[in-house]
Amino acid sequence: DAGVTQSPTHLIKTRGQQVTLRCSPKSGHDTVSWYQQALGQGPQFIFQYYEEEERQRGNFPDRFSGHQYPNYSSELNVNALLLGDSALYLCASSPDTRDSPLHFGNGTRLTVT
Amino acid sequence: KNQVEQSPQSLIILEGKNCTLQCNYTVSPFSNLRWYKQDTGRGPVSLTIMTFSENTKSNGRYTATLDADTKQSSLHITASQLSDSASYICVVSARGSTLGRLYFGRGTQLTVWP
Repeated sequence: DAGVTQSPTHLIKTRGQQVTLRCSPKSGHDTVSWYQQALGQGPQFIFQYYEEEERQRGNFPDRFSGHQYPNYSSELNVNALLLGDSALYLCASSPDTRDSPLHFGNGTRLTVT
Repeated sequence: KNQVEQSPQSLIILEGKNCTLQCNYTVSPFSNLRWYKQDTGRGPVSLTIMTFSENTKSNGRYTATLDADTKQSSLHITASQLSDSASYICVVSARGSTLGRLYFGRGTQLTVWP
């Protein structure tokens, strides 16, 4: 049973470009959350998707957008990249129950130059 | 303001020794508290989840405690191994939606030396 898979593992972009990151949740999970983790910091919540809708959102600008497909896979899109967007982007999935642990993927390392 | 503070920021111990990591939070209303282990370059992996009514929960050599009155938690690692070298992240969930809003600490970087 595959866990959470993310692609690509690494990515290098230049300022102003756009990027799409992808996530396949663990089998049986219908909720996907995205996090940004800067070096030496804890993950920061970007948004959460459930039933193909954005259900919650953290303090991130509209340049960050997402999508969830009927098979529960998800994408994170970032427009007009800034140097400060360089980080590890983590996807986490879970069933839609309060006390379920999040299952994280190994992330996409985005470098903006 | 909902916050999660962890201490120490980093810790070095010798293999076989025990250690305790601390987590203080101000998240309210409280739902649950989770400890995660994050190896370098990998995603976090859940160690324990504790709700309001639970004081202690163990997972092998890892034992987490929770004092909901003082809003403090600790993670105790017994007989440390080299593979315990990782960042340990405390995550507190606030009630307010189906899954709740999660607040992450910055983590404690643990290094175990042979």
